[in-house]
Amino acid sequence: NAGVTQTPKFRVLKTGQSMTLLCAQDMNHEYMYWYRQDPGMGLRLIHYSVGEGTTAKGEVPDGYNVSRLKKQNFLLGLESAAPSQTSVYFCASSPGLVRGTTGELFFGEGSRLTVL
Amino acid sequence: QQQVKQSPQSLIVQKGGISIINCAYENTAFDYFPWYQQFPGKGPALLIAIRPDVSEKKEGRFTISFNKSAKQFSLHIMDSQPGDSATYFCAARGGSNYKLTFGKGTLLTVNP
Repeated sequence: NAGVTQTPKFRVLKTGQSMTLLCAQDMNHEYMYWYRQDPGMGLRLIHYSVGEGTTAKGEVPDGYNVSRLKKQNFLLGLESAAPSQTSVYFCASSPGLVRGTTGELFFGEGSRLTVL
Repeated sequence: QQQVKQSPQSLIVQKGGISIINCAYENTAFDYFPWYQQFPGKGPALLIAIRPDVSEKKEGRFTISFNKSAKQFSLHIMDSQPGDSATYFCAARGGSNYKLTFGKGTLLTVNP
């Protein structure tokens, strides 16, 4: 059981380049999230999705776009990367509003992005 | 606006000692308070969680104490071990959308 898988694990970009981070989960979870983690800043929510075909903005959405075309996948895109987007990105999933569950978030191992 | 404030930012404890991490929240609509543990190079993982209708929850060496009136909760790690060295995040959730708001994290180092 792979859980939450993120690709790529590492990436170096130049300012202005674009890229997409892929998150895949095999737990049939409804909810998926993208967080960024920066030193001293904790985990900040970028975008999230409560089901296939839906997306919503989180705490720090500017400069990012997302898509949830399939239930198991959640893509995070950077259209024009900036040095301020250098961070470690974490994808997470949860069962959502399911009776008997706590809504626990299951995280991937992270994708480290450096923008030069 | 930081909705969940966590302290200290870092903590060094000797093996066998007690580690205490504190969090305070502002939003009274929060209804679920988990703690996540993160080892270097890994994603956070749920450690223990509490709901506001109880004042304490214990799982092994880990205990959450919850003070609803003060809007504070804390994680206590008894008999701390070097293997407990990690970053700990408190979090809070409210409403129907299952969004978690995280504290900024505490880097715990347990010296042998």
